Amino acid sequence: QVQLQESGPGLVKPSQTLSLTCTVSGGSISSGGYYWTWIRQHPGKGLEWIGYIYYSGNTYYNPSLKSRVIISVDMSKNQFSLKLSSVTAADTAVYYCAREKLGAAVDYWGQGTLVTVSS
Amino acid sequence: DIQMTQSPSTLSASVGDRVTITCRASQSISNWLAWYQQKPGKAPNLLIYRASNLEDGVPSRFSGSGSGTEFTLTISSLQPDDFATYYCQHYNSYSYTFGQGTKLEIK
Repeated sequence: QVQLQESGPGLVKPSQTLSLTCTVSGGSISSGGYYWTWIRQHPGKGLEWIGYIYYSGNTYYNPSLKSRVIISVDMSKNQFSLKLSSVTAADTAVYYCAREKLGAAVDYWGQGTLVTVSS
Repeated sequence: DIQMTQSPSTLSASVGDRVTITCRASQSISNWLAWYQQKPGKAPNLLIYRASNLEDGVPSRFSGSGSGTEFTLTISSLQPDDFATYYCQHYNSYSYTFGQGTKLEIK
């Protein structure tokens, strides 16, 4: 059974960089066939797709966030990470890491972690 | 950008009812559509992928249909566990958009 777990600071100051890591267990990121994905949900709102990384290192980002987002992978630790720069209060959200099975949508999600942007 | 519009935003129904939620795309997305269920404080759970394929472990009372620009999620007989928020999502490697959600409430 695949499990994903987000980790990182729950509070980030405005203008700084939000950094989160997702640790994958029960499956290997390097096996291919999946996009390793970040999705966020503003409090009380809907879901917003942020971007993904493939095991090859290829990435694709939401065009509305592309200038501020970097997703990277560390296959030695079976982890992938999100960096979102120049954050504002509008980036306050629950951040989910997830696995998208190619052609078959997001089949596994982390539990989510709330990140608050505040001074 | 492709926009996904769900209707209704809120739906009140009773246990045993048959309910349908609609998702419309601003342009044709073939069958690149998924449906998720989300309960408060929890991550979403995949119900349907490729518009009509039931994810493993999802009860058969859930079904999806449609292609192109109009899609539906149907719950054939509502159970108490089904009261939640439902999201559609367009996905296809280079285009991802969620609908705004449909909250299914107990009447």
